[in-house]
Amino acid sequence: DVKVTQSSRYLVKRTGEKVFLECVQDMDHENMFWYRQDPGLGLRLIYFSYDVKMKEKGDIPEGYSVSREKKERFSLILESASTNQTSMYLCASRAFSGSGNQPQHFGDGTRLSIL
Amino acid sequence: GNSVTQMEGPVTLSEEAFLTINCTYTATGYPSLFWYVQYPGEGLQLLLKATKADDKGSNKGFEATYRKETTSFHLEKGSVQVSDSAVYFCALSVEAARQLTFGSGTQLTVLP
Repeated sequence: DVKVTQSSRYLVKRTGEKVFLECVQDMDHENMFWYRQDPGLGLRLIYFSYDVKMKEKGDIPEGYSVSREKKERFSLILESASTNQTSMYLCASRAFSGSGNQPQHFGDGTRLSIL
Repeated sequence: GNSVTQMEGPVTLSEEAFLTINCTYTATGYPSLFWYVQYPGEGLQLLLKATKADDKGSNKGFEATYRKETTSFHLEKGSVQVSDSAVYFCALSVEAARQLTFGSGTQLTVLP
């Protein structure tokens, strides 16, 4: 089974701090993703990466950056945390498939609170 | 573009009732279709998938049939349990797409 591991289930940080959320997958997947999930807004894609050192902006990249130095690890960085970044953050990975038939596999999520 | 439309929630059912959650889609190309489930406080888990027309995906008593003619992938279960209370997401992927396109999710609550 694919395992996507997020470093923290719950995290509390202060406004202005630099926050790192880590995600590791064990299946050699090419694609990795960061989403945030807020009540009534569904899943919103922040950034994704389709290869080491490659990244692309998703729908809501403002205030975030990412790093992918190794294939298995994809980090989300909040450069200067603000209270409107309080949310559930979900990491996912996916094998590339030309037919599009591969699912995304999700971690358990990190519930981040910014005080 | 690609999009997924799910029935509005929340849906509240009594235990052992029949469940249908509607999902329709638009896609540029021939999509694969997925249902995910999210239990409270957890990430999304793949529930089932179908990759071509008339395929039926099934898992844990849930079923969904890929209907190309109606561009639909409705989720069904014959007899729901309290433990099925969760948010259900319908999703699609077209050829060579890097990511899935998700619906907005449907909250299901099953009462004892």
